[in-house]
Amino acid sequence: DAKTTQPNSMESNEEEPVHLPCNHSTISGTDYIHWYRQLPSQGPEYVIHGLTSNVNNRMASLAIAEDRKSSTLILHRATLRDAAVYYCILGNKLVFGAGTILRVKS
Amino acid sequence: NAGVTQTPKFQVLKTGQSMTLQCAQDMNHEYMSWYRQDPGMGLRLIHYSVGAGITDQGEVPNGYNVSRSTTEDFPLRLLSAAPSQTSVYFCASSYSIGGAAKNIQYFGAGTRLSVL
Repeated sequence: DAKTTQPNSMESNEEEPVHLPCNHSTISGTDYIHWYRQLPSQGPEYVIHGLTSNVNNRMASLAIAEDRKSSTLILHRATLRDAAVYYCILGNKLVFGAGTILRVKS
Repeated sequence: NAGVTQTPKFQVLKTGQSMTLQCAQDMNHEYMSWYRQDPGMGLRLIHYSVGAGITDQGEVPNGYNVSRSTTEDFPLRLLSAAPSQTSVYFCASSYSIGGAAKNIQYFGAGTRLSVL
């Protein structure tokens, strides 16, 4: 299965944009890129997904590199409620790595 | 819709005891899976099912059994609990799996299990 690489942690100020990177250099042509987040003491929740084109929804935007070897989850205005672990996942079985811990400072 | 429902929310077992973690979904999803999450770690796939009557092993299947007799239910059985199975267990379901399918998973709230 293709693997992803994410920074262990990131920090952001409240109301500022956050760019969470993910590298997936061994991605296959049919692998969708999914992002989930896990708030403290909760199960993961879906954030966004895409295949080749950039995607937007009410929670975030997903920017996918042209060669699809990396992607970036964009939170346009971070709030304290966005503090969570963010997971970048590929393919069908959704293998979760350690994710990126996002800390948001007020 | 209730989504994915896990019971119990908390459980304490003694070493060697057996128990079943329940998972039910009301979204008519074909794909269901079980993960465990140890402190400070990501989720690790235990077992999964692509439909009623079909199950397969994930990354860490040892010590766990599953069955899928209906689309709605996917119980996880611990045959003889060990302290190493102390963890938070999450059940998830999704519409489909395979090929280029979108595979948005919906997770339950988790079961926190302690084995003494």
